[in-house]
Amino acid sequence: GALVYQYPRRTICKSGTSMRMECQAVGFQATSVAWYRQSPQKTFELIALSTVNSAIKYEQNFTQEKFPISHPNLSFSSMTVLNAYLEDRGLYLCGATGGQNTLYFGAGTRLSVL
Amino acid sequence: AQKVTQTQTSISVMEKTTVTMDCVYETQDSSYFLFWYKQTASGEIVFLIRQDSYKKENATVGHYSLNFQKPKSSIGLIITATQIEDSAVYFCAMREGRPQGGRALIFGTGTTVSVSP
Repeated sequence: GALVYQYPRRTICKSGTSMRMECQAVGFQATSVAWYRQSPQKTFELIALSTVNSAIKYEQNFTQEKFPISHPNLSFSSMTVLNAYLEDRGLYLCGATGGQNTLYFGAGTRLSVL
Repeated sequence: AQKVTQTQTSISVMEKTTVTMDCVYETQDSSYFLFWYKQTASGEIVFLIRQDSYKKENATVGHYSLNFQKPKSSIGLIITATQIEDSAVYFCAMREGRPQGGRALIFGTGTTVSVSP
């Protein structure tokens, strides 16, 4: 079956530092990877969508300079939160699809900022 | 513009009964895909079931089934014979059909389901 592994599950970083999270697709080829942030109120914000052979598309309020994403092959993607501050706290989720239109999610990375 | 709306914030049911959750969506695309996901207490998002807009039959997977009413832009989730472990937050989501693979999911705000013994 289709599985997505995301790590780390939890991370704590000091204000102004950076952290990287990774996402691995198993059992299918991740032609598209979407990165989301979920607020404490459970609202999903789409950060960016990365599709193979296309430029990574960032949503309004999110930039490559702040959330650089790498999608080097069909099984792996990573996203870094640069210069993290309190407003960057939340649950970050990667969802991957192999073109069958169903997005499978990793377990999420919960970011805390001190 | 696309939008997904879940008006029920929380539902409480007794174990072994049926729970129904509502979801309405807005899209300009003639082709789209509708999904239901469950978020567990640990935060994990689990895919449950999906309905493709061109399919007339309601999708069914295990004890999950959908009530797809296309003229009303509605996609309800029905869980029969609920179990304690069905307690979770349920999200409705939509993905527009074109271009293939190039659109992300839009989520509703979620419905919290509590199943009591």
